Amino acid sequence: GAGVSQSPSNKVTEKGKDVELRCDPISGHTALYWYRQRLGQGLEFLIYFQGNSAPDKSGLPSDRFSAERTGESVSTLTIQRTQQEDSAVYLCASSRGDRGGGEKLFFGSGTQLSVL
Amino acid sequence: GNSVTQMEGPVTLSEEAFLTINCTYTATGYPSLFWYVQYPGEGLQLLLKATKADDKGSNKGFEATYRKETTSFHLEKGSVQVSDSAVYFCALGNQAGTALIFGKGTTLSVSS
Repeated sequence: GAGVSQSPSNKVTEKGKDVELRCDPISGHTALYWYRQRLGQGLEFLIYFQGNSAPDKSGLPSDRFSAERTGESVSTLTIQRTQQEDSAVYLCASSRGDRGGGEKLFFGSGTQLSVL
Repeated sequence: GNSVTQMEGPVTLSEEAFLTINCTYTATGYPSLFWYVQYPGEGLQLLLKATKADDKGSNKGFEATYRKETTSFHLEKGSVQVSDSAVYFCALGNQAGTALIFGKGTTLSVSS
C-alpha cells in the first residue's frame, strides 16, 4: 500500500479482555516499530522488528504485551487482560531498515485503545 | 542510556513570531537527530533530520543544527504561520540501528 496501515482505528474494550492490533507496513520496509502514546505523554517505545533478527522487546511494559511479525509484512500487537492504564494510542511505523540510525520512519494513523 | 529532553509546552505564538523549541539529548556514540511533527488529525511525519555534528536540517522554513558540544538540536523558525500549529517531537537514532527514541512532544499553537 501507499502508507502504513493500522486497524482498527478505534477499539473500546472491557478491562480484562484481550485485544489485537494490526499493522501493515509499507511494502519493502524491513523495519517495523510499535510505540505507545498516552494522553499528554510522549512516544513510548514498545518493540522493534528488523528483518530476520530477533526483535528488540525491551520496551514492552509487561508480559501481558506481545507482538509478532510474519516475515517482513504484517505485525500484530496483542495485549492480554487489558487494564485501564493500557488506554492509549498505539502507533506503528516502518522504515527501509538502513543500519546507522539515520532512516526515516513512516507512521500509521494509530489505534486509539480505550479500556473501560 | 540514550534519552531526549525537549521543552515543555504548550507554546503559544502569534503569526509571524520567531519560534524556538529546545531539545537536548544524551547518547553514546554519534546518533542521528530528528524532528517529527504531528498535525491535528494526522500521523507523525518527519520534518527534518541531521546525521552528524554541525549538520543543519531544514524543511518548510524550519531549521535545526546538530550541536555536539552542547548536545542540542533546537528547532527554529523565523516566522510561524497558523498552519504550523502541531505537536513537535525531537528524536534520536542510535547508530546501532535500534528504534528511535522520542521526546515527550511540544504543542505549538499559532494564532492569527
